[in-house]
Amino acid sequence: EDKVVQSPLSLVVHEGDTVTLNCSYEVTNFRSLLWYKQEKKAPTFLFMLTSSGIEKKSGRLSSILDKKELFSILNITATQTGDSAIYLCAVLLLTNAGGTSYGKLTFGQGTILTVHP
Amino acid sequence: NAGVTQTPKFRILKIGQSMTLQCTQDMNHNYMYWYRQDPGMGLKLIYYSVGAGITDKGEVPNGYNVSRSTTEDFPLRLELAAPSQTSVYFCASSYRNTEAFFGQGTRLTVV
Repeated sequence: EDKVVQSPLSLVVHEGDTVTLNCSYEVTNFRSLLWYKQEKKAPTFLFMLTSSGIEKKSGRLSSILDKKELFSILNITATQTGDSAIYLCAVLLLTNAGGTSYGKLTFGQGTILTVHP
Repeated sequence: NAGVTQTPKFRILKIGQSMTLQCTQDMNHNYMYWYRQDPGMGLKLIYYSVGAGITDKGEVPNGYNVSRSTTEDFPLRLELAAPSQTSVYFCASSYRNTEAFFGQGTRLTVV
């Protein structure tokens, strides 16, 4: 059974702290790993990682994938109250049906991040 | 600039009633997904589709049905609603193996 596990499940920090969110996976036919941020409504896309060891950055957020250890981290530096959200990790894996390969997006349970002023 | 549109935004159902959650996308994406999200939890895949006429079950398909007659539309049908189906439902779409874009969600309460 394909599994995506995030840790910690929740985290409370103060503004200015740096946080590291973890995502591990055990899946067959891995294609890529994605990070999303979810505030009040729909998840919004942050990063997609396909290759090991290549860091992706966007402002104070960065992420890296280790395909050997089946693991990814999402770092947020100098946290702000606006970073409070659920951070979701998802794995895009390939499944087969009728001889054709299809992608399927499977999510972890999420990390609830709360940043206090 | 519509993206993925879900209707309705909110709905209250009585136990045993049926309803259809609508989802449409205007990005010509071939992949579409239905997820449910319970409070404080991640997203669980209900059904997905890789193109018109092709659907497959996700992790939690029981109590739901889908169809995909066109590229744009992917409705989710609930037959005989149960309290366990109280959740927020998200529809998403993607182009092949790229990031998925989400609708704004439907909050469903079964009483």
